[in-house]
Amino acid sequence: EIQLVESGGGLVQPGGSLRLSCAGSGFTFTSFRMSWVRQAPGKGLEWVANIEEDGSEKFYVDSVKGRFTISRDNAKNSLYLQMSGLRAEDTAVYFCARIGYDKGFDNWGQGTLVTVSS
Amino acid sequence: DIQMTQSPSTLSASVGDRVTITCRASQSFTNRLAWYQQKPGKAPKLLIYKASTLESGVPSRFSGSGSGTEFTLTISSLQPDDFATYFCQHYSSHPTWTFGQGTKVEIK
Repeated sequence: EIQLVESGGGLVQPGGSLRLSCAGSGFTFTSFRMSWVRQAPGKGLEWVANIEEDGSEKFYVDSVKGRFTISRDNAKNSLYLQMSGLRAEDTAVYFCARIGYDKGFDNWGQGTLVTVSS
Repeated sequence: DIQMTQSPSTLSASVGDRVTITCRASQSFTNRLAWYQQKPGKAPKLLIYKASTLESGVPSRFSGSGSGTEFTLTISSLQPDDFATYFCQHYSSHPTWTFGQGTKVEIK
C-alpha cells in the first residue's frame, strides 16, 4: 500500500521557520517526482513546489520563491519542505503528493497544518 | 502562467442527477488535465487524468472530456458518496501547475 505521511507542522510566529517532512512507503521513491501542495483554511488547493526524482531540479510557485526550499533524501524515502520568512498567508494544511506518470498527483498524504500567528 | 476557472462554484443536486462541472483555461494546452475529489478534512483524490482517463478504482459514473481550453467532469448519476468538492488542475506546462478554484457539490 502506498503511503505518504507528513509531519512537522505547528504554530510559528511571523518571520519564523519550520521544516516539514514526508515519509514515503509502498513504492519506489526514487522513481517519482514529488510535490508539496497547500490549502489555506476554507480555500482551494495551491501547488507549492516540485522536485525531480534525483533532486536535480526544483520548481516553486512565485509566492514562496526565496523563502521555501524543497528537498529529498532518497536513501530515507523522504521529502522535505524548509520554510523560512513565514507569513500569515502561509497558514495552510500542507500536503505531500506523488507525481504520477503523466497523470498529475496520484497519491497524497493526510496533510500537516502550519499556522503562522503571533 | 495558465489560469484555470471552474464553474459553477457551488452546485446543488439530488441523488441520481447528472452533474457537469466545467473548467476553462486561460490558454490552450494539451490534454494534461486532471480532476480531483476532496471531502472535508481529507486529502484530494485523483479521479481523472489526461482529461478523460479514469484513475484505477474510480467508479465509471465519473467521466471527463474536453480539449484546448474547455474541459468537463461529468457524474452520470450522483450518489451519496459523491457530495464533495471537485478541483481541476493542469499539468501540461512544467513547472507551474495550477488548480481551479473548486466546485462544491451539495445536496439539494
